[in-house]
Amino acid sequence: DIQMTQSPSTLSASVGDRVTITCRASRSVGSWLAWYQQKPGKAPNLLIYKASSLESGVPSRFSGSGSGTEFTLTISSLQPDDFATYYCQQYNSYSYTFGQGTKLEIK
Amino acid sequence: QLVESGGGLVQPGGSLKLPCVASGFTFSSSWMSWVRQAPGKGLEWVANIKQDGSDKYYVDSVKGRFTISRDNAKNSLYLQMNSLRAEDTAVYYCASGGGSYGGGYFDYWGQGILVTVSS
Repeated sequence: DIQMTQSPSTLSASVGDRVTITCRASRSVGSWLAWYQQKPGKAPNLLIYKASSLESGVPSRFSGSGSGTEFTLTISSLQPDDFATYYCQQYNSYSYTFGQGTKLEIK
Repeated sequence: QLVESGGGLVQPGGSLKLPCVASGFTFSSSWMSWVRQAPGKGLEWVANIKQDGSDKYYVDSVKGRFTISRDNAKNSLYLQMNSLRAEDTAVYYCASGGGSYGGGYFDYWGQGILVTVSS
């Protein structure tokens, strides 16, 4: 299985900051990568698919980039609603796998 | 909308069947999946099923124990879980998507249902 590793595991930031989360795959997944946001007690919410395509309804401050084995999720200007846990997921090959998550905390 | 039910407490070695009822989108045209999350842990894809039920895939840890199925006439997805183990304890999410050929992301999720395996 392809292993997905996110960094950092925890990130402290302030409203208005620009933040970047990195996701690395143990082997190439092409552009078959998605990003999700999850708040406590809630289901995940799709943000980005195919590495850089913004899901309908997701604010444009979220963006994704990368291909192959290295990917990033960037939030251009943090809003209070953005403090949550973020997961990447590869869907290049079975078994589909997720990163361990990055918890974005208020500084 | 996706609504799961059927969760609860079950003893190790026991069985449970989770239904998920879909509305608001064309269920019969969608790959469907189950994703789980152990308490305080990350997400794990469990299984998926093609639109007509002809293809099914499972994570290795549940192969031979779990069966995914669907009834397009009832807009329903199911997960039959047998020989349950403590490590199957998790919130189980029903999700649309998770298909092959570039469609493997999950665009709609249910609220999740907790399954606890314990004696």
